[in-house]
Amino acid sequence: GENVEQHPSTLSVQEGDSAVIKCTYSDSASNYFPWYKQELGKRPQLIIDIRSNVGEKKDQRIAVTLNKTAKHFSLHITETQPEDSAVYFCAASKNDYKLSFGAGTTVTVRA
Amino acid sequence: NAGVTQTPKFQVLKTGQSMTLQCAQDMNHNSMYWYRQDPGMGLRLIYYSASEGTTDKGEVPNGYNVSRLNKREFSLRLESAAPSQTSVYFCATSLAYRETQYFGPGTRLLVL
Repeated sequence: GENVEQHPSTLSVQEGDSAVIKCTYSDSASNYFPWYKQELGKRPQLIIDIRSNVGEKKDQRIAVTLNKTAKHFSLHITETQPEDSAVYFCAASKNDYKLSFGAGTTVTVRA
Repeated sequence: NAGVTQTPKFQVLKTGQSMTLQCAQDMNHNSMYWYRQDPGMGLRLIYYSASEGTTDKGEVPNGYNVSRLNKREFSLRLESAAPSQTSVYFCATSLAYRETQYFGPGTRLLVL
């Protein structure tokens, strides 16, 4: 099955700085890559996703890039704020219902 | 609209006991999923139901059974609970595959 590796496992940034989380996937047939944010004690929520027919997607302060050749994709958060502190999960899927998640990155934004 | 709801919120079981986790959605979504979340391991798919009347195994189905009761409800059953099943269980729904999955609030299960 699909194997998704996520790095780093923890990330501490100064408020206002950028944060970058990277994921690699194993199955070249994967074509859907969502990112979920989970605040402490809450449910995961989708923040952005990208499909394999595009290389980059932006939504305000967050962006995702995809390199299909290298089989990796990244989440970029600019101008980080305290409310960005959470666990972020990347995931990958082919043309089916199975989402394979990375192990998560705990992001802490220092005031 | 309640979105995705799960019951119970928290449960303690003894090894060998059985229980059913319930999930309901009012989003008129076709697909429903059960995940477990363990520290350092992300979310792992247990079972999913692509549409009413169908269920399929995910990544970690052993020790679990599911029922898609109707379009709204998808239950997860532990027939004989084991300590290794201590986890947080999330139900999720989506309109179709490769679409946003909406998660329920989770059920925290402790098996002693």
